[in-house]
Amino acid sequence: QLVETGGGLMQPGGSLRLSCGSSGFAVSNAYMVWVRQAPGKGLELVSVIFSGGGTDYAESVRGRFTISRDNSKNILYLQMSSLSAEDTAVYYCARRLSGVFDLWGQGTLVTVSS
Amino acid sequence: EIVLTQSPDFQSVSPKEKVTITCRASQNIGSTLHWYQQKPDQSPKLLIKYASHSISGVPSRFSGSGSGTDFTLTINGLEAEDAATYYCHQSSSSPSDTFGGGTKVEI
Repeated sequence: QLVETGGGLMQPGGSLRLSCGSSGFAVSNAYMVWVRQAPGKGLELVSVIFSGGGTDYAESVRGRFTISRDNSKNILYLQMSSLSAEDTAVYYCARRLSGVFDLWGQGTLVTVSS
Repeated sequence: EIVLTQSPDFQSVSPKEKVTITCRASQNIGSTLHWYQQKPDQSPKLLIKYASHSISGVPSRFSGSGSGTDFTLTINGLEAEDAATYYCHQSSSSPSDTFGGGTKVEI
């Protein structure tokens, strides 16, 4: 099971950290991702962290977002900065296993507005 | 970036009808194409993996086919609970996976 927390209403230019708690498996051993969905829109892969610790980002967030994990707490994070209205979305964490996203959290809404 | 184009964007169908959703990739992705179902206010759920492989617990009325650039999700005998938006996803260009734009199925 995956549970996201940390969403909320943010001012443009602000920062926010999302968390994704895992139960039943270790995030340290998994390929984990953040996927976002803007209101009424489709799915966008935002960031990935490989089991080995390497990371990658969508061009739209590179340099502003940082994915990380705390292995001792079994939590995945997404640190977001320089937020803009275009970052408004529901953010899902998910596990990628054998090429597919087999486990998803319930999502947390991030709204960027003045 | 590999672009996935789904069609139609929206489909209104009656129960027990057959639904066909297509997903076209901008380049050859082999069979690295997967399908998800997202009901309102829920997270996506994996339906089909690698174009045609079924997922445990998913009703047998859902099936997938295709390879290369053209893929199809078929729902045989639509049920009311199948009202949802369906997305295709390609993992060929990992870690730069992409999703299709979605097909909303209304009962």
